[in-house]
Amino acid sequence: NAGVMQNPRHLVRRRGQEARLRCSPVKGHSHVYWYRQLPEEGLKFMVYLQKENIIDESGMPKERFSAEFPKEGPSILRIQQVVRGDSAAYFCASSIEITNNEQFFGPGTRLTVL
Amino acid sequence: GQQLNQSPQSMFIQEGEDVSMNCTSSSIFNTWLWYKQDPGEGPVLLIALYKAGELTSNGRLTAQFGITRKDSFLNISASIPSDVGIYFCAGQPRSSNTGKLIFGQGTTLQVKP
Repeated sequence: NAGVMQNPRHLVRRRGQEARLRCSPVKGHSHVYWYRQLPEEGLKFMVYLQKENIIDESGMPKERFSAEFPKEGPSILRIQQVVRGDSAAYFCASSIEITNNEQFFGPGTRLTVL
Repeated sequence: GQQLNQSPQSMFIQEGEDVSMNCTSSSIFNTWLWYKQDPGEGPVLLIALYKAGELTSNGRLTAQFGITRKDSFLNISASIPSDVGIYFCAGQPRSSNTGKLIFGQGTTLQVKP
């Protein structure tokens, strides 16, 4: 059974470019979460999506960041016009339900902005 | 907002020793989860707790959901070198119905063979 898959594992962008991070949840999981982790810190919630719907984006910056989880295909976290402060590890997690909320994490995408 | 205070921040122990770490909050949580993260990898779920007072084991790991629903601890018995890593507590706040998790700052564990 495949776990949560994320790609790319490493992404380098110059300031002003766009970054696209992809996440394929565990097969059968319809709940996807994105978290950001800065060095030496814990993970910070960004957004929660359920197929085709954004349910909770309270942790997402208001500008430049967007997320989607289309009916077909992976979830995408998109960062426009990246700045150096966007450099971090971005993790995707999925769960089968939110009542007993066991979230399984992918390996992460490490974004470096030059 | 909700915060989780995790302690200790780091531990350096001898192989074979037992380890204990905990998380506390001023808010009530419905769920407590403990994860382990290795360098360059994503967090791996170790134990999930759903009821106040619940005590759950997974091999040499034992975790408990505090009675007040504001704290949890994780114990590792007879540590081995592969226990090295960063351990995170995470909780789902009672005030949230969207499943988002709040994470502690992590406990870095080093084990000396």
